[in-house]
Amino acid sequence: DIQMTQSPSSLSALVGDRVTITCRASQGIGNSLAWFQQKPGKAPKSLIYAASSLQSGVPSKFSGSGSGTDFTLTISSLQPEDFASYYCQQYKSYPYTFGQGTKLEIK
Amino acid sequence: QVQLVQSGAEVKKPGASVMVSCKASGYGFTSHAIHWVRQAPGQRPEWMGWIDGGKGNTLYSQKLQGRVTFVRDTSATTAYMELTSLTSEDTAVYYCARDPRSGVLDYWGQGSLVTVSS
Repeated sequence: DIQMTQSPSSLSALVGDRVTITCRASQGIGNSLAWFQQKPGKAPKSLIYAASSLQSGVPSKFSGSGSGTDFTLTISSLQPEDFASYYCQQYKSYPYTFGQGTKLEIK
Repeated sequence: QVQLVQSGAEVKKPGASVMVSCKASGYGFTSHAIHWVRQAPGQRPEWMGWIDGGKGNTLYSQKLQGRVTFVRDTSATTAYMELTSLTSEDTAVYYCARDPRSGVLDYWGQGSLVTVSS
């Protein structure tokens, strides 16, 4: 199975900050990488697919980059509604696997 | 608009089975796959497998192979997930998610909590 490792596991930031979350795959996955936002008690929400393509309706403050084994999610101009957990997920090969998550908290 | 509406919470005893439904609307049900993902409390999501909405082909994670079954009813635009021989380790929120393009999970159901407890 492909292992997905995110860093950091938690992150504190201020409203208005720009933050970057990193995701590393244990083997190359091309650009078959998605990012999700999840709030407590809610389903994950798709933000980005194919490493850098924005899902319909997702604001451009979210951006993704990377290919192969190293990927990043950047969120600019943080707003209160952006404080949540974020997960990366690979869909290059079965079983699809998720990172352990990054919890973004207000400083 | 695309919607996936799942069945309600369940409480089951160890050894029992559970079935969760996922009612799809707002798109061509037979044109897309439905994936199932579960998330135990405080854990990362775990992918369980998928079912093709049209042909009904399925693929299961090896971890759950033999205990999980996906079926769909095209006339009701509903997918179902059955998990048997439940243990406490199966306590989780179970999600269905639509796949519009080769593994991308764009729309998710609201989740169905399954609690396994004696």
